[in-house]
Order: sequence, then C-alpha cells, then structure tokens
Amino acid sequence: TQLLEQSPQFLSIQEGENLTVYCNSSSVFSSLQWYRQEPGEGPVLLVTVVTGGEVKKLKRLTFQFGDARKDSSLHITAAQPGDTGLYLCAGRWGETSGSRLTFGEGTQLTVNP
Amino acid sequence: KAGVTQTPRYLIKTRGQQVTLSCSPISGHRSVSWYQQTPGQGLQFLFEYFSETQRNKGNFPGRFSGRQFSNSRSEMNVSTLELGDSALYLCASSLGLAGGPWNEQFFGPGTRLTVL
Repeated sequence: TQLLEQSPQFLSIQEGENLTVYCNSSSVFSSLQWYRQEPGEGPVLLVTVVTGGEVKKLKRLTFQFGDARKDSSLHITAAQPGDTGLYLCAGRWGETSGSRLTFGEGTQLTVNP
Repeated sequence: KAGVTQTPRYLIKTRGQQVTLSCSPISGHRSVSWYQQTPGQGLQFLFEYFSETQRNKGNFPGRFSGRQFSNSRSEMNVSTLELGDSALYLCASSLGLAGGPWNEQFFGPGTRLTVL
C-alpha cells in the first residue's frame, strides 16, 4: 500500500506571507495532483504534474514535482484570505487505467487579514 | 453545464440503520468514484463505477456497496451503520476511467452523514 505524507497539517499565517506545503511518498508517483477544498464543497483540481522536475504556476501558486517523482511542493506567494482552505495532494502509482488516486490528509491553511 | 450533484446534503441516522446516497455526474461523464472523508483519515477511496460496472475498489468492509445505472447516476449504500461511518461522502465524475492523469475528476459537494 502506497502512503502519501503531507505537511504541515495546519498552517495559520498573516496576509502577505509566503508558505510552502509538502507532499512525499516512498514510491515513485506516475502523476500527482493538487486540490483545494473549501467548507461545504468538494475538492477542486488545481494542477496535475507528471514529469520529474516539472514546475507549474497558477497566479501566485507554484507547484513543483521532484526530480525523482517522489515528492511535490506547493508554494503560495503573498497569501491572501481567499487562499484559506484545505489543500490536498493526491498521487497515482502505476500506469494502468486502474490506478486509483490516493489522497494525503491535507493541509488546513488559514490566512488572517 | 451543471456540476456533480449529490443528495441528500445532510443525513442523520442511528447505529444499525442503513443509508443510500445518490450522485448525479456531469452530463456525458461515464465514471463515478466515491470517497469517504473524515478528519482523522482524510479522503479515502471507496470504489469506482464505469459503464455500470465496478472497476476499482478500496479497502472498506462489505457493508459499503454501490451501483451505477445506465444514465451513469450512481448510488452508494451503507448497511448496519456504525458510529465510525460518520463522515463526508464525496462522489467524483470523469469522462473516462479515473486512472489516467489527464482524466480530471470533478467532485460534488458531498453528503454529510452523522451516525448517532
């Protein structure tokens, strides 16, 4: 059973600060996704990364996939209260269409105005 | 285009009862996956249905079952409810099987089940 560790579990920061969330596995991912979930809603996909070393940017969010494809990070620059939410990473191991998505426990981010 | 809908949004049951949750995928989507979300365990995969067939199953007891209809709508059933079944149950739909990295899953808002 592949395990996916996400850290930190909780993060409370002031508006304008930067932050980084980490996602790690002992096995090589075939692909990894980051989601954000707000209260009362389901997770919403932010990005999918597939290639080792890949960097993707989404406005103030920067996603990085480790060279060995065993880890990923999400960096938010100049956080805003609207960034508050639960950030989830989700990975797949294996190339078949039957490979399921496994989620980390999430990072609950609170950005205070 | 309407998103994934789940009914009911909230449900309160007592131990030993059974419950059925419903999920209507985005029009044209043929895959529906179900997840259980709890504060301690996070999001855990229950099962995936595609073209009315279960294609993948997580590590949950047989009390958890599901089915998919010809219109891709799906239902999940939990029998003999236990206190630990209290959770947010999410369903997600995708065009094809959920296994491909580019086959995006769209989540519904979930059904909040409380077992007393």
